[in-house]
Amino acid sequence: DTEVTQTPKHLVMGMTNKKSLKCEQHMGHRAMYWYKQKAKKPPELMFVYSYEKLSINESVPSRFSPECPNSSLLNLHLHALQPEDSALYLCASSQTTSGQETQYFGPGTRLLVL
Amino acid sequence: KQEVTQIPAALSVPEGENLVLNCSFTDSAIYNLQWFRQDPGKGLTSLLLIQSSQREQTSGRLNASLDKSSGRSTLYIAASQPGDSATYLCAVKPVTQGAQKLVFGQGTRLTINP
Repeated sequence: DTEVTQTPKHLVMGMTNKKSLKCEQHMGHRAMYWYKQKAKKPPELMFVYSYEKLSINESVPSRFSPECPNSSLLNLHLHALQPEDSALYLCASSQTTSGQETQYFGPGTRLLVL
Repeated sequence: KQEVTQIPAALSVPEGENLVLNCSFTDSAIYNLQWFRQDPGKGLTSLLLIQSSQREQTSGRLNASLDKSSGRSTLYIAASQPGDSATYLCAVKPVTQGAQKLVFGQGTRLTINP
């Protein structure tokens, strides 16, 4: 099973709301990633977790708060977002962060901030 | 800093044609190069992964080559079908930016006309 699942598929939220995105994989992967993708642009890396520890934060604003409760689950907590944060949020995983491994991507959560 | 360029940005061809998508990168120090497919509003599907020591990979009607010294990769699609219509993204994993990052090109939007 090479599947990464993400919920919800779509999310609409106001600028004062608090919401969370969820990502799950059951491939035994120990590295998980959050990417942000704007329309007609490539994905941009936001965060990397390796063995449940945050290893990369690409200078993401604090209104995005990642969490890795266990090796299968990755959350992205959202608070006080701006309309320009509307995008497709993609989760990915890989066996480890070793250079030779591929990343498997989920279907994404399409977020609209009003 | 590694930069990835994909040419052309968009391509429209009749069904049945063989076609080539191009990807170039500025720094040859990479762990691997990966080709992805993305359907509108969906996640990324990995098509082919070429390790830095390899020259090409094949999967069905797809063949990807890698010339690390010249910083180029091509994705060859044989006997194209309407179902191949999608955006194709090339991504490299640079050695100098850590094994955890993928650097993406802007993508080639491919349309196969019946």
